[in-house]
Order: sequence, then structure tokens, then C-alpha cells
Amino acid sequence: DGGITQSPKYLFRKEGQNVTLSCEQNLNHDAMYWYRQDPGQGLRLIYYSQIVNDFQKGDIAEGYSVSREKKESFPLTVTSAQKNPTAFYLCASRRRSLETQYFGPGTRLLVL
Amino acid sequence: SQQGEEDPQALSIQEGENATMNCSYKTSINNLQWYRQNSGRGLVHLILIRSNEREKHSGRLRVTLDTSKKSSSLLITASRAADTASYFCATDAMGGSGGSNYKLTFGKGTLLTVNP
Repeated sequence: DGGITQSPKYLFRKEGQNVTLSCEQNLNHDAMYWYRQDPGQGLRLIYYSQIVNDFQKGDIAEGYSVSREKKESFPLTVTSAQKNPTAFYLCASRRRSLETQYFGPGTRLLVL
Repeated sequence: SQQGEEDPQALSIQEGENATMNCSYKTSINNLQWYRQNSGRGLVHLILIRSNEREKHSGRLRVTLDTSKKSSSLLITASRAADTASYFCATDAMGGSGGSNYKLTFGKGTLLTVNP
């Protein structure tokens, strides 16, 4: 089965804690993306990566960090500097030669 | 930045009716895409229309693009209860070389409810 997996489905963060969201794809896609979605809102781009070992900030990168050490994996860390982290986080990927993005099922992050 | 803005924000229709959603954007685009999201799920790509195309069909979906007005519409014909979802337009802005710049900018979406 090819696709994008995100884990966990739900994640709880305590004040001052860093948490990491996992995103893995076995589609052999070149580019990967992280989006944040707030209730009733569209998607806002946090970070994206076009190739391994390279990534760029999106529109709302403050308080987040990423790494791209392997083509298949693009983990997102929500740091303690992100003061309002409660949201639905979506990971996506795309092939370089095609413009459409494929999305994972999402991780819902809640603050305790 | 939210480039695409969908209209209406919410739409409620009866099964069998047609549903039309509109999207406006601000800058030059390489293509415009429509995605669907069921509640609490990831997005699923529906259809892509390039800047040099005016209309495209896929099954019960019809998309139009007017680059002079910077607007697009998505028509779902003969709607079904299973079409209930949020629909988002996403713009792929023109990159430096004239192709994709690898980023999509999403609107806030239209919540479509199809009543059985």
C-alpha cells in the first residue's frame, strides 16, 4: 500500500514541552510539506522541503522546526516557543514532475 | 497568506441538486486545484486546471477558470449525501522560470452539506 502516514493521530502537549509529529511516505515523492489547519480555516504552510537535507520556511514557521534526513521522512517539531499550538496538522507530498499534493490523515495536537 | 478565497463559506442543498462554489485569487498562477476534505481527515485532490485552460470536466465535476477575473468555479452536478465535505481551492503561483513554484496557497474552503 502506497501512501502517507502520520502519527500519532492525537497528541497532547504540556506547557513548555517540545513535541514531534511524524510524517512518512513511500510514494518516492521528492517534496514534502507541513500545514496547519485551525477550525473553519484553510491550510497554512509551515515548512516545505523539495529535496533531502534542504527545507524552506512557509508562512507561519515561527515556533516550529523540521528536518529532512531521508527522502521518506519529514518530522515536524512543535517547540515551546509556539504559544498557540492547538490545531490539526497535515503533512503532504508531491512528485517533482506533477503539481498535485497527496495528504496524510493528519495529527490533532491539543494542549493540556 | 491566503490567496484563494472561496464563496460561499457554507452551502446546504438537497440530494440531486447542483452545487456551485467559487474561488477568487490575487496573483498570476501556473494552475489552480480543487481539493475535498471530509471532517477530521486529510485532503483529497479532485481536479487541476492550468492557466491556459478555461474549462475542465471529471465525472460529475466541472471546473472553470477565468484568469482575467482571477476566479474559478467548481460545479458538482447531481449531488449525493456522500458529497458532504469541505472544498478548498489552491493556487500554484507562477514560479521564477514560469513553472510551478512548488507551493500551494489554500483558501478557507466551502462547507457543502447535501441533505438526503
